[in-house]
Amino acid sequence: EPEVTQTPSHQVTQMGQEVILRCVPISNHLYFYWYRQILGQKVEFLVSFYNNEISEKSEIFDDQFSVERPDGSNFTLKIRSTKLEDSAMYFCASSELGGRGTGELFFGEGSRLTVL
Amino acid sequence: GQSLEQPSEVTAVEGAIVQINCTYQTSGFYGLSWYQQHDGGAPTFLSYNALDGLEETGRFSSFLSRSDSYGYLLLQELQMKDSASYFCAVRGDNFNKFYFGSGTKLNVKP
Repeated sequence: EPEVTQTPSHQVTQMGQEVILRCVPISNHLYFYWYRQILGQKVEFLVSFYNNEISEKSEIFDDQFSVERPDGSNFTLKIRSTKLEDSAMYFCASSELGGRGTGELFFGEGSRLTVL
Repeated sequence: GQSLEQPSEVTAVEGAIVQINCTYQTSGFYGLSWYQQHDGGAPTFLSYNALDGLEETGRFSSFLSRSDSYGYLLLQELQMKDSASYFCAVRGDNFNKFYFGSGTKLNVKP
């Protein structure tokens, strides 16, 4: 069964360092998302991406964050200068139809980021 | 802004029925989804309601009342494997974005 894959599963970094989280969405999906979840809390929307550009972003997604689809398969989230409060599980998700139908999101297993 | 309210935790016994409520306040509304998340795992889609009424999928049903800004997830014949967190998610002012609630941790006891 097709699935969203994310790497790394866990990354530990020092405050102020840059981090890149990688995702391979399901191949025929057109809409891509990043969400994050601080331990024990809700899943928070960061950004959605369609047709090689950001379609929506939240107030969390400030200038330290960027997303890119560098080739036909990868979708990356870059955090430029990490802060302690960026420690969270980052989930990539993809959707086949986006706004049409149920908009079902298929989530990857997540990348746990720990900022020291 | 968007806000969703769910109970933080619910406990029930195996074989019972449990209802998890979700009330929402959003600037727009297109639909309500439910996701299940086991500890350490990814959220997985359970159901979606765009119109008022009940949607049934096996042991799980989901209900929506748009006039009351309210929905619920009903789990029947509870099994131990149903122990997980359940999130409601609203498709709000943007058709391509879902806002998640804080989640309800369901504990199923023997």
